[in-house]
Amino acid sequence: QVQLVESGGGVVQPGGSLRLSCAASGFTFSIYNMHWVRQGPGKGLEYVAFIRYDGSNEYYADSVKGRFTISRDNSKNTLYLQMNSLRAEDTAVYYCAKDSGSGLCYFDYWGQGTLVTVSS
Amino acid sequence: QTVVTQEPSFSVSPGGTVTLTCGLSSGSVSTTYYPSWYRQTPGQAPRTLIYSTNIRSSGVPDRFSGSILGNKAALTITGAQADDECDYYCVLYMGGGIWVFGGGTKLTVL
Repeated sequence: QVQLVESGGGVVQPGGSLRLSCAASGFTFSIYNMHWVRQGPGKGLEYVAFIRYDGSNEYYADSVKGRFTISRDNSKNTLYLQMNSLRAEDTAVYYCAKDSGSGLCYFDYWGQGTLVTVSS
Repeated sequence: QTVVTQEPSFSVSPGGTVTLTCGLSSGSVSTTYYPSWYRQTPGQAPRTLIYSTNIRSSGVPDRFSGSILGNKAALTITGAQADDECDYYCVLYMGGGIWVFGGGTKLTVL
């Protein structure tokens, strides 16, 4: 069965960096686009970033553009999110999500999330 | 800046029918935005309900249906049950690799 397991969250000071990982299993990771979505405390879901199956294209929400980098290692079935210049407003649970691959532009599986807290 | 709008909260009686909507701050939602819907209970990851406007995800009961109503996407729940009480999110695909979530609707069943 499809499993997505995020890790790497924690407490970091403003201006600091953190790298999140999402270990994928139960499907052929290398042929699916992948996404990061986050949810601030008590807030709604916010789209963060997208990467094509082969890593050839990436897209970012304006709120993280220039600070976050999405990447993947298909040999390790792992998705990453490198977060630099972190701000208090980046505090959130970060979910990785698998693209359906159907061309119908939706997320069919989600991880359980990893909490990032930006605080001094 | 594109804003996707949802009712912040809604209430439905057990056994009743409720329609949640998903609109755009400017313009109309159409099938070309591939509207999808997700439900989320506190502390849990989102789960997919509906995609491409009106296709139910695997295992989703037919009490849940999606449509375009007027200039908005809509999620209709018929025969509401107590465990339908949770947050519902729509998301629209804007093209260019960008998706935008609505603010979510907190559904109360009482």
